[in-house]
Amino acid sequence: TQLLEQSPQFLSIQEGENLTVYCNSSSVFSSLQWYRQEPGEGPVLLVTVVTGGEVKKLKRLTFQFGDARKDSSLHITAAQPGDTGLYLCAGVDTGRRALTFGSGTRLQVQP
Amino acid sequence: KAGVTQTPRYLIKTRGQQVTLSCSPISGHRSVSWYQQTPGQGLQFLFEYFSETQRNKGNFPGRFSGRQFSNSRSEMNVSTLELGDSALYLCASSPFTGGGTEAFFGQGTRLTVV
Repeated sequence: TQLLEQSPQFLSIQEGENLTVYCNSSSVFSSLQWYRQEPGEGPVLLVTVVTGGEVKKLKRLTFQFGDARKDSSLHITAAQPGDTGLYLCAGVDTGRRALTFGSGTRLQVQP
Repeated sequence: KAGVTQTPRYLIKTRGQQVTLSCSPISGHRSVSWYQQTPGQGLQFLFEYFSETQRNKGNFPGRFSGRQFSNSRSEMNVSTLELGDSALYLCASSPFTGGGTEAFFGQGTRLTVV
């Protein structure tokens, strides 16, 4: 079974601070997705990274896929209260043809 | 375009009962996947249906089953409910099968087993 470990599990920061969330595995994934889930809602896809070493930016969010396609990171610059939520990484294993989700990082940004 | 619709939103059942949850995917999407989300285990894959056929299955007991209809709507059934089945059940639709495409999630059904 492929496992994805996310760290940290919880993060509470002040508005304007920067943060990085990590997603690690011992397995190789064909691609990796990042989702954000808000209370009472389902996860919403933020980005998909496919190529090892790939970096994608979405406004203040920067996503990176590790060179070996086993890990990924999400960096948020100048966090805002609207960034509050549960961040989930999900690895795509074409062999299993299913998404394997990480345990999640719960982020709270205080105004 | 309407999103993924799950019904009901909330459900309270007694141990030993069975429950059926419904998911209507985005129009045109033929793949529906089901996930169980709990605080302790996170999001775990249950199964995926595509064109009325189960394409993939997670590591859950046989009490968990599903089906998909010709209009792509899907139902999942849990028989002989246990307290540990209390969770948020999410369904996700995609235009294609496999995990490589974007999954659009519904708001989920919150099941409480008492």
